[in-house]
Amino acid sequence: GAGVSQSPSNKVTEKGKDVELRCDPISGHTALYWYRQSLGQGLEFLIYFQGNSAPDKSGLPSDRFSAERTGGSVSTLTIQRTQQEDSAVYLCASSLGGGAQETQYFGPGTRLLVL
Amino acid sequence: AQTVTQSQPEMSVQEAETVTLSCTYDTSESNYYLFWYKQPPSRQMILVIRQEAYKQQNATENRFSVNFQKAAKSFSLKISDSQLGDTAMYFCAFNGGTSYGKLTFGQGTILTVHP
Repeated sequence: GAGVSQSPSNKVTEKGKDVELRCDPISGHTALYWYRQSLGQGLEFLIYFQGNSAPDKSGLPSDRFSAERTGGSVSTLTIQRTQQEDSAVYLCASSLGGGAQETQYFGPGTRLLVL
Repeated sequence: AQTVTQSQPEMSVQEAETVTLSCTYDTSESNYYLFWYKQPPSRQMILVIRQEAYKQQNATENRFSVNFQKAAKSFSLKISDSQLGDTAMYFCAFNGGTSYGKLTFGQGTILTVHP
């Protein structure tokens, strides 16, 4: 079946603009995760959704970052007033359930460049 | 909080030979899960192998096997009969305890397989 998909693949934006990144999880997966991958910080957890709720938002770096999930499926990560330090690859993953034993399946990521 | 450490930033191996990637972690939890993910230049993170902490037997998936030493908190990945397609960044990851639901990643090891 189809894997996790993300769009756009690449995004170039100017400092101060808002951006939206989209994630389509594997059908039937109730858990969805956003991670950020950057040269300086490695792979960092951002937020976790179980269904449409986000029980763990502890990784969001500032209030410029927000995310939502609708219909227990598609998720959107929004970054407002982008800064150059937001440049990174944003990875989305989904899993069947939200437990530690669940394998997380990753999408190809969105590479964000803030000029 | 859990931490995961990969002490080898880069490794190289000749095709058909065996290579071992190191990973150590720190946790006070007794029940958790460990994973090795592969990230080729395409950016798609792919699960290589997983290990349940409560299982003493080391996990094996074809040419990939782990050496899990729970007391030493060590989780190394052995790749036998290395192939050119194994060239990628490899990440060790932890899930469990207080980080339940989200993966904590090591810094990654870049593996290059030479013909």
